[in-house]
Amino acid sequence: DSGVTQTPKHLITATGQRVTLRCSPRSGDLSVYWYQQSLDQGLQFLIQYYNGEERAKGNILERFSAQQFPDLHSELNLSSLELGDSALYFCASSQGHSGGPPQETQYFGPGTRLLVL
Amino acid sequence: GNSVTQMEGPVTLSEEAFLTINCTYTATGYPSLFWYVQYPGEGLQLLLKATKADDKGSNKGFEATYRKETTSFHLEKGSVQVSDSAVYFCALTPWGETSGSRLTFGEGTQLTVNP
Repeated sequence: DSGVTQTPKHLITATGQRVTLRCSPRSGDLSVYWYQQSLDQGLQFLIQYYNGEERAKGNILERFSAQQFPDLHSELNLSSLELGDSALYFCASSQGHSGGPPQETQYFGPGTRLLVL
Repeated sequence: GNSVTQMEGPVTLSEEAFLTINCTYTATGYPSLFWYVQYPGEGLQLLLKATKADDKGSNKGFEATYRKETTSFHLEKGSVQVSDSAVYFCALTPWGETSGSRLTFGEGTQLTVNP
């Protein structure tokens, strides 16, 4: 158990819909990352938040957005869903202290499996 | 940009065989290098890491050495077990970023170990 929790575990929805994925980081971790794992694209970084602020952006579609709340949990919002958005979405967290080392370990949650029909 | 290339899989071995999974990277400066493992139905777990040239990461019998001259970080294990069956990902974080950093992953290598 990594200490990172994600809900829900599975999500089935229809094209055009909107869903919210939730992540609670490990206690004390300030950085939260979102990754997408799909068969055709592999594991891709989407976005990072550090202590409530967006820190880095990767291959995240405009239809997707995220935020990190004062209690440090994070939500990833996916809207106008398409079939191609079906994937496993992982959240990870790390200590992320300002000025800290880039090699710190990221701890991954179990993922949310999204199926768009 | 940064990229990671892993040997194509899947890899099938018999128990107690020697394992090598090749990983090479493209990045500027001195990235940190990682191997993550994903067991069926689970998230990714850090297996080992190395943060500077010639560092050797090791864990659970697995080893990998950071080779800057060949930009490689090959994963090895002397004697695999059935329980090692999983998908293995090589990854890097860029040099020069602080407060944590995005991981760039390779394609993943599926390992199956037969009894």
